[in-house]
Amino acid sequence: AQSVTQLDSHVSVSEGTPVLLRCNYSSSYSPSLFWYVQHPNKGLQLLLKYTSAATLVKGINGFEAEFKKSETSFHLTKPSAHMSDAAEYFCVVSDREYGNKLVFGAGTILRVKS
Amino acid sequence: GAGVSQSPSNKVTEKGKDVELRCDPISGHTALYWYRQSLGQGLEFLIYFQGNSAPDKSGLPSDRFSAERTGGSVSTLTIQRTQQEDSAVYLCASSLVVSHDYGYTFGSGTRLTVV
Repeated sequence: AQSVTQLDSHVSVSEGTPVLLRCNYSSSYSPSLFWYVQHPNKGLQLLLKYTSAATLVKGINGFEAEFKKSETSFHLTKPSAHMSDAAEYFCVVSDREYGNKLVFGAGTILRVKS
Repeated sequence: GAGVSQSPSNKVTEKGKDVELRCDPISGHTALYWYRQSLGQGLEFLIYFQGNSAPDKSGLPSDRFSAERTGGSVSTLTIQRTQQEDSAVYLCASSLVVSHDYGYTFGSGTRLTVV
């Protein structure tokens, strides 16, 4: 079974409009969940992480994500997109089932139109 | 240094040659990971090291791939008899401990091109 599924390979939004990047995961234990961002020709940067504390997690650059156990989802949102948000975003899960390794989704490329 | 350092940043090699990729983790980080990012394939786990424990090699795609970590710090990923399908960006990351609660800090990667 796919451990992390990013439901959209590409998302396009206009500057100033909300961003929603969708992620579903599978886990037999209590997972930790992360979102990483990768700008073109740059390294991976941690945006935010959920580790069994508050279900609504706030990250850098105005991004946040909500852990919904009943829906096995961890969608990433931002109220208002900025041109600098254009990048590839990875949803990531880690738990004992995966030997504490990070397991990456396939990525979602976010395009922001002016 | 302050971050994870990888070298070289770019490597072009001929098919059949061996290559070595180096990773210098954040000082004090006991866990070190190698991932591979191929075009259109996402990130693929290769291997991780935790302190003096035996490494988890479960992600290595073939016996042409090996890695070592000397003195609990610097790591070298070696690919023998390179093939064109080995072309990818090889990413190293380190973490304070191996725990599913911790995020990793990634290096900028080595872009390997096999011609």
